[in-house]
Amino acid sequence: GQNIDQPTEMTATEGAIVQINCTYQTSGFNGLFWYQQHAGEAPTFLSYNVLDGLEEKGRFSSFLSRSKGYSYLLLKELQMKDSASYLCAVLDSNYQLIWGAGTKLIIKP
Amino acid sequence: GAVVSQHPSWVICKSGTSVKIECRSLDFQATTMFWYRQFPKQSLMLMATSNEGSKATYEQGVEKDKFLINHASLTLSTLTVTSAHPEDSSFYICSAAGTSGYNEQFFGPGTRLTVL
Repeated sequence: GQNIDQPTEMTATEGAIVQINCTYQTSGFNGLFWYQQHAGEAPTFLSYNVLDGLEEKGRFSSFLSRSKGYSYLLLKELQMKDSASYLCAVLDSNYQLIWGAGTKLIIKP
Repeated sequence: GAVVSQHPSWVICKSGTSVKIECRSLDFQATTMFWYRQFPKQSLMLMATSNEGSKATYEQGVEKDKFLINHASLTLSTLTVTSAHPEDSSFYICSAAGTSGYNEQFFGPGTRLTVL
């Protein structure tokens, strides 16, 4: 079966750095997405990785290792507004998005 | 980025009534639209995939006669929840993929449905 694993919840301090991991086992791979979702809102796109390596975009970076079935989202200089759920999703061989359950990130002052 | 709208943002209805939710891509043509449902503290669950001008493809366990999907144009898809019941109360989110491929989905803001 297809499976995406990410931690249920993480806590970090304002101004610090946090890394949210995601491991996946899917039938085929056509890329991995990270989305941010605030409570009661729809997801918003953060990043897309299809090749191995690190993609940096401002305070957010995303890393992918296809051989390990592993990705992480790195958030730097955390702000209170970064408190949200972070969803990892993989595009499989049928171009269907397989979603992780999301990681709830709590930022403390 | 591309903009997708949904209407209504929230709706409260009585059990047994039908509710229609619209999803529009405002500045691009969406060959494929996706309908998701999200229960509290859970991830997105894909309900169906619809391609313009053809019948929707429903995920296993989703009743196609209960959740009617129409994708009549490249900018509009509708989801109708027929004979809604309290267990249908959820957050319904649509997303649209552009003509360039499936690499990114643009999400609508979601519709919160409460069935009394």
